[in-house]
Amino acid sequence: EAGVVQSPRYKIIEKKQPVAFWCNPISGHNTLYWYLQNLGQGPELLIRYENEEAVDDSQLPKDRFSAERLKGVDSTLKIQPAELGDSAVYLCASSLGEAGDQETQYFGPGTRLLVL
Amino acid sequence: GENVEQHPSTLSVQEGDSAVIKCTYSDSASNYFPWYKQELGKRPQLIIDIRSNVGEKKDQRIAVTLNKTAKHFSLHITETQPEDSAVYFCAAQWGFKTIFGAGTRLFVKA
Repeated sequence: EAGVVQSPRYKIIEKKQPVAFWCNPISGHNTLYWYLQNLGQGPELLIRYENEEAVDDSQLPKDRFSAERLKGVDSTLKIQPAELGDSAVYLCASSLGEAGDQETQYFGPGTRLLVL
Repeated sequence: GENVEQHPSTLSVQEGDSAVIKCTYSDSASNYFPWYKQELGKRPQLIIDIRSNVGEKKDQRIAVTLNKTAKHFSLHITETQPEDSAVYFCAAQWGFKTIFGAGTRLFVKA
């Protein structure tokens, strides 16, 4: 079974430029998460989707960050414009979305963003 | 706000020794506690988890204990091997919210 797929794996951009990350969850997983992981820290939730609906985006900086999951499968996270402080690893995770609040999340390999 | 504290931040052990990582959580509503292992440049991978209705769970060399009264849970790795070297994250879940600890970097010296 294929795991969570993310692309690109690495991205280097100049500040003020836009950037987009893509995630394809495990087949059949209804819940999709985007996390931010700073160096030496644990993942922090940015947004959670149940199918195509964003049910928790309270930690998403909406002035520059946006996300979509139009068909309830793959998802895109965008930053526009990027700032130096956005340099981090962006992790996508998915879970079945059936067992309620004790579900295991499966992570993708992440996209490492460097903003110069 | 809710938080998960994880200690130590760095742990160095000799191959064959045991390693213990401890976490405390703030919200008593937490009912699911996964542990993830993350090797350098790779994805976090679930290694063991425990639900609030049990106090201990073991899987070969890895065990997790949970004390709900103290809001404390721990990861125990016995007979450590060099390939156990990685960053380990604990997490506490309630509702659909997951809070991760800051991680413990484990070094196993051969």
